[in-house]
Amino acid sequence: GQNIDQPTEMTATEGAIVQINCTYQTSGFNGLFWYQQHAGEAPTFLSYNVLDGLEEKGRFSSFLSRSKGYSYLLLKELQMKDSASYLCAVRDRRTGGFKTIFGAGTRLFVKA
Amino acid sequence: NAGVMQNPRHLVRRRGQEARLRCSPMKGHSHVYWYRQLPEEGLKFMVYLQKENIIDESGMPKERFSAEFPKEGPSILRIQQVVRGDSAAYFCASSSEGPTNQPQHFGDGTRLSIL
Repeated sequence: GQNIDQPTEMTATEGAIVQINCTYQTSGFNGLFWYQQHAGEAPTFLSYNVLDGLEEKGRFSSFLSRSKGYSYLLLKELQMKDSASYLCAVRDRRTGGFKTIFGAGTRLFVKA
Repeated sequence: NAGVMQNPRHLVRRRGQEARLRCSPMKGHSHVYWYRQLPEEGLKFMVYLQKENIIDESGMPKERFSAEFPKEGPSILRIQQVVRGDSAAYFCASSSEGPTNQPQHFGDGTRLSIL
């Protein structure tokens, strides 16, 4: 089966750096996504990793280690608007196609 | 607006009624996914459809729930004889090809409340 674990909540200070971890177990790993979701809104795509290493996109970076089943999302220069839930999602290859499994999300609170 | 369109945004039903949730994918997208989200929880996969075909419905309850994506028109998620436990936000997402490195684009969701 599949299992995705990420912390339930995190708190950080405006201007700081925060790292949100995600560990996963899957039988047919085929890519990992990070999404941001503000309360009451739709998830929006942040990043995609399929190979080991770091992908940087502005203030956000995402890292993947396939051998460890581990990823993190790094947010730099935190802003108040970054307060949201961050969803780790793993695409799993299986007979007949693929499925994307979402973690429960990490609620990030950014304080002044 | 070329994004994923869901309607209605909010839907209130009494126990035993039927709920119909609609989703129009992004222009050029032929793959649609439905998810359910309870407060403070993550997205739970329900069903994956391509035009006129259900590809994976492993996340959808066997009874009362059905989904379709006809050749013409939006994808429909139908819940018959709704119960209180069906209250949730239902999100639709679409992608341009099968699940590849292309991310899924989400609609704003339908908040279903059962009285």
